[in-house]
Amino acid sequence: KAGVTQTPRYLIKTRGQQVTLSCSPISGHRSVSWYQQTPGQGLQFLFEYFSETQRNKGNFPGRFSGRQFSNSRSEMNVSTLELGDSALYLCASSLNGGGNYGYTFGSGTRLTVV
Amino acid sequence: GDSVTQMEGPVTLSEEAFLTINCTYTATGYPSLFWYVQYPGEGLQLLLKATKADDKGSNKGFEATYRKETTSFHLEKGSVQVSDSAVYFCALSLLVTDSWGKLQFGAGTQVVVTP
Repeated sequence: KAGVTQTPRYLIKTRGQQVTLSCSPISGHRSVSWYQQTPGQGLQFLFEYFSETQRNKGNFPGRFSGRQFSNSRSEMNVSTLELGDSALYLCASSLNGGGNYGYTFGSGTRLTVV
Repeated sequence: GDSVTQMEGPVTLSEEAFLTINCTYTATGYPSLFWYVQYPGEGLQLLLKATKADDKGSNKGFEATYRKETTSFHLEKGSVQVSDSAVYFCALSLLVTDSWGKLQFGAGTQVVVTP
């Protein structure tokens, strides 16, 4: 079956702009989580959506937001981009939170802010 | 708060050597534990997991045992190959009320296997 699909793979944006990243989970998976990966901070949790509702949220500023659609696809938006937002953004899907079965990750979107 | 500590890398090994990556955790409850692997330019792949104390996760020759008494989940492989060169992440997830919370990751350990 198809894995987790993230689009686009690479993105270059200018400071102050906004960006939207997309994630299509594995068919049947209702939970989608987003993580930011940087060399300095490692992997940090952004938020989790389950059945179109945000269920958990990490410690990121309000510039970072997300949503989930009825087909479980999710988008993440970052407004007023800063240089420090340059990172690999990873999406992970699971049936109902990954505690029992683990999460399946996509290949990520590499965002570069210039 | 909940946290995961894993040994720093890089760990450099010769092919067919024995690999151990130490991982210890701090958690307020009883977490599920995971090892993920990341190859260059790719996302994370689940390598193995354990959901309760004394469980042993295994996959592709890798093993890890959930040790509640030492709060550890060390990753081992008896004979590594060049293709095992990657970054390995230890992680935990806690059940919060009726849903699983976020994955809390360690800093990652880079493993380099030379021919």
